[in-house]
Amino acid sequence: GQNIDQPTEMTATEGAIVQINCTYQTSGFNGLFWYQQHAGEAPTFLSYNVLDGLEEKGRFSSFLSRSKGYSYLLLKELQMKDSASYLCAVSAWDLSYIPTFGRGTSLIVHP
Amino acid sequence: GAGVSQSPSNKVTEKGKDVELRCDPISGHTALYWYRQRLGQGLEFLIYFQGNSAPDKSGLPSDRFSAERTGESVSTLTIQRTQQEDSAVYLCASSRWARGLDTGELFFGEGSRLTVL
Repeated sequence: GQNIDQPTEMTATEGAIVQINCTYQTSGFNGLFWYQQHAGEAPTFLSYNVLDGLEEKGRFSSFLSRSKGYSYLLLKELQMKDSASYLCAVSAWDLSYIPTFGRGTSLIVHP
Repeated sequence: GAGVSQSPSNKVTEKGKDVELRCDPISGHTALYWYRQRLGQGLEFLIYFQGNSAPDKSGLPSDRFSAERTGESVSTLTIQRTQQEDSAVYLCASSRWARGLDTGELFFGEGSRLTVL
């Protein structure tokens, strides 16, 4: 999606914390999703934010600021299996409410 | 089945041939989406179905692409006269709710990997 930006690639160390940012520009915001996609596999749902603030779910947390058009996914106590692509997707009026995806952030976790 | 099922998982075809990709959504899911993912790229929206109607075909890249859905079940994506740039993974997703409402989580299939020689 041309209005949704996230870094292309990030690297981190096992056991560390990493924050993956996503910025968007839309009208009539209706929610933001994060998905995880391992190589060669289907994307799987991680989180959904529609109100401002932090949603925590185990080692993963997602934050949203609607006024800033900004979200981040926070991964704690990184494990090797967290190496994957993380996709940010936005639903909004000007995107016809179709979940529209960014290009994804490839996260590489090193031992 | 419990999840979204897509077939074939892999398809190799020659340029100019037609291909048909199938998606079997989760039972009871009214919304169905087709996306395309080129190597190393994000998901590109193709078409959305609400029941068996397609209110949004805006993502179909050309008139060689068409899709249909039977009721609230199986959908087929057809690509006619395939070109090399059609090579990609075609992902299908279903969700319980209609767009514009409480947007539901998308459940994805494993995808159909299309290679056009």
